[in-house]
Amino acid sequence: DTAVSQTPKYLVTQMGNDKSIKCEQNLGHDTMYWYKQDSKKFLKIMFSYNNKELIINETVPNRFSPKSPDKAHLNLHINSLELGDSAVYFCASTVRDHMNTEAFFGQGTRLTVV
Amino acid sequence: AQSVTQLDSHVSVSEGTPVLLRCNYSSSYSPSLFWYVQHPNKGLQLLLKYTSAATLVKGINGFEAEFKKSETSFHLTKPSAHMSDAAEYFCVVSDRAGGGADGLTFGKGTHLIIQP
Repeated sequence: DTAVSQTPKYLVTQMGNDKSIKCEQNLGHDTMYWYKQDSKKFLKIMFSYNNKELIINETVPNRFSPKSPDKAHLNLHINSLELGDSAVYFCASTVRDHMNTEAFFGQGTRLTVV
Repeated sequence: AQSVTQLDSHVSVSEGTPVLLRCNYSSSYSPSLFWYVQHPNKGLQLLLKYTSAATLVKGINGFEAEFKKSETSFHLTKPSAHMSDAAEYFCVVSDRAGGGADGLTFGKGTHLIIQP
């Protein structure tokens, strides 16, 4: 069973479109994240949700909006896509305890904006 | 605040020789440290983690790392490189003292090349 699953794996779309990427985890974790990996492989956190509450919101454009219908899902919605949004987006989840915050990652969604 | 510096963007070794990937970190509190590996066009896989237990941590595929607080380092090593080790490696720090989930801070990655 896949612990953290993202769909779609690949997404090609035109500038100006609105798209969503879905993420689900079956680990019972209480915190989920979205990371963006740019063309230089650098990973940067975009959002995290803990118990359906947004607790990190990095300086990303407001065209990006995370939506969490329940603890097991954190979807990423992007409005008015731009060329610079092309990247690989990773979803992750963690169990938050005082010992460690090991994260489990999805396989990534490669978004290409043309 | 936390940060991670991976000192080498690329490391090239011959198959069968030792691997050393360097990582230095900065954290205001007692950190958790991780190494993740990303094979081409794949997701991220945890290699090993340090969470204030033993300072020498053993991971999967023969990798290990040593936490050195005095040097603020967490270098990744492997005695003998294999062709399948060719990948991107990320050193990651997590600040555990935060009241909420603070996310992971990634280094910029080290691309490991294995020469036959």
